[in-house]
Amino acid sequence: NAGVMQNPRHLVRRRGQEARLRCSPMKGHSHVYWYRQLPEEGLKFMVYLQKENIIDESGMPKERFSAEFPKEGPSILRIQQVVRGDSAAYFCASSLTPRARETQYFGPGTRLLVL
Amino acid sequence: AQSVTQLGSHVSVSEGALVLLRCNYSSSVPPYLFWYVQYPNQGLQLLLKYTSAATLVKGINGFEAEFKKSETSFHLTKPSAHMSDAAEYFCAVSLSGKTSYDKVIFGPGTSLSVIP
Repeated sequence: NAGVMQNPRHLVRRRGQEARLRCSPMKGHSHVYWYRQLPEEGLKFMVYLQKENIIDESGMPKERFSAEFPKEGPSILRIQQVVRGDSAAYFCASSLTPRARETQYFGPGTRLLVL
Repeated sequence: AQSVTQLGSHVSVSEGALVLLRCNYSSSVPPYLFWYVQYPNQGLQLLLKYTSAATLVKGINGFEAEFKKSETSFHLTKPSAHMSDAAEYFCAVSLSGKTSYDKVIFGPGTSLSVIP
């Protein structure tokens, strides 16, 4: 059973470009979470999605950031017009249910560097 | 509101010594508690979790944690540190609520160094 897959693992963008980060959850998981980890900092929740629905985007910046989890295909975190402050590791996690006792399984992350 | 604190952003131990990483939480209802480990340039891996079945929880790689309600703590321990234990460790808490989903809150992390 494959784990959570994320690609690309590393992404370099120039200021003003767009970054697209992909996440395929574990087989059978329909709950996806995105987190951001800035250098020397902990994990910050960004958004929680179920298939075709955004459930909680309270941690996502209001501008330039968007996320989707279509019926078919991976979840996408999109950052438009990137700035240097967007440089971070972005992690995706998935779970079988969204309940408290359930484990979230993490992908290897995408490390975004904005030049 | 729930929160998690981890005392000590950096901890150094000698190889073979006891590892103790501290985690305290705040919540008004019984929590679910997790410890994750993150090796350099990798994602988070679950070490162990507390789901109210037993207060002493054993995890992978020889780690264990004890839930102490009176102290609102869930400290992570390992009797003898190994060089391969050098990593970032995150404590997390989640509460069963009445909303459609239960959010997981992560602590700021503790970086463990193991000295040969």
